[in-house]
Formats: sequence, C-alpha cells, structure tokens
Amino acid sequence: DSGVTQTPKHLITATGQRVTLRCSPRSGDLSVYWYQQSLDQGLQFLIQYYNGEERAKGNILERFSAQQFPDLHSELNLSSLELGDSALYFCASSFWTSGGGGELFFGEGSRLTVL
Amino acid sequence: EDQVTQSPEALRLQEGESSSLNCSYTVSGLRGLFWYRQDPGKGPEFLFTLYSAGEEKEKERLKATLTKKESFLHITAPKPEDSATYLCAVQALSGGSNYKLTFGKGTLLTVNP
Repeated sequence: DSGVTQTPKHLITATGQRVTLRCSPRSGDLSVYWYQQSLDQGLQFLIQYYNGEERAKGNILERFSAQQFPDLHSELNLSSLELGDSALYFCASSFWTSGGGGELFFGEGSRLTVL
Repeated sequence: EDQVTQSPEALRLQEGESSSLNCSYTVSGLRGLFWYRQDPGKGPEFLFTLYSAGEEKEKERLKATLTKKESFLHITAPKPEDSATYLCAVQALSGGSNYKLTFGKGTLLTVNP
C-alpha cells in the first residue's frame, strides 16, 4: 500500500460528459502529480501541484483541469469526454516539489471508460 | 523533447534464466534515471534511482546500471513473482526548478515456472 488513495477505481461514462477524479496523497507529501496511462502511449505526465500551486504542466488537454486543495487532496476534472480519453489515470505524490529522488508514490489508479 | 525507449517490449523467461532489460534515453540536463515495477491493475512501484554514469544499484535479484545514453536492468535467476511490467523514467530539468518524470512504455516480463 503506497498510502495514496484514488477514487473512484472504475468509472464508465458517455462521450460529452464530465467526470472528476479524486486523489489523497500520502500523509506529509506536498506534491501531487497526475499521469494518464494508455496502451499505446504509456504513462504521460499531465500536471503537478505543490502545496496548492501548479508547478509543472505536461501534455494536459484544455478540456482537463486540476487543482489541489488546502488539505492537499487533488482533483482532476475531465470534460467534454471523447472515446480517446479512456485510460487509466494515476495520481502520485512526493514530499519535494522536484520529486526528490524521483521516488513518486502512485495510487492504484482510476480506470475511465468513455462509451 | 525528452525521450525514453525501452526494449524489448515483452520478454518471456524460464525461472532461473537471467537476462537484461534496456532503457535508452535522450534528455537535456538529466537529473536522474528511475526504474519502477508495475503489477497488473496497480500503480507503479519505485525500485531504483541512478544519477550518474557508472552507478549501479542492487535489490534482491535486480541490478540497475547507467551509462550516458542507456540503462540496463539485469535480472539474475528470476522467479515467477518477478513477472511484471518494468518502467524506466528520466527526470530532467523542466522550466526552472521544477522536474517531471518522462516514462518509457515499459517491458512486460513474464517468468515461467
């Protein structure tokens, strides 16, 4: 158990809809990272937050947004969903803003299926 | 753009049959190279960090090495429980003091008893 909690574990929705994925980092970790994993693309970095502030942005679509709240949990909002958004979405946390030694602690992921 | 290429995509071994996984990378300002293990339906689990060419790290049957262009994950006398996808990632300077991990697509290792 990594200590990172993600909900929901599975989500099935229709094209055009909006969903919110939630992540609670390990106790004491200030950074939260969101990654998307699909079969053909592998793990793709989306966005990083540190203590409530956005710190780094990757290949995140404009239809996607995220935020980190004062209690350090984070939410990833996906809107106007398309079939191609079906993927596993992972949240990871670390203490340092730079990821320290690169040791990120990953949750078990949220599997999104868009029909 | 940072690039990480892992080979082979899949590797099937017999228990006790040693082998190596490769991770080649192109990155400017490498801060570190990392190996993760991912079991089906789970998130990646951290294994090793390597910072400079010539560095080696070991953990049980796994040994990771680093050169200026690639890293190898050597698996000695593997057991079925070593079956997993092994991911390589690089951490590079990305805009000021922030860093992100760029992952390869992984090598799916299957160890048959």
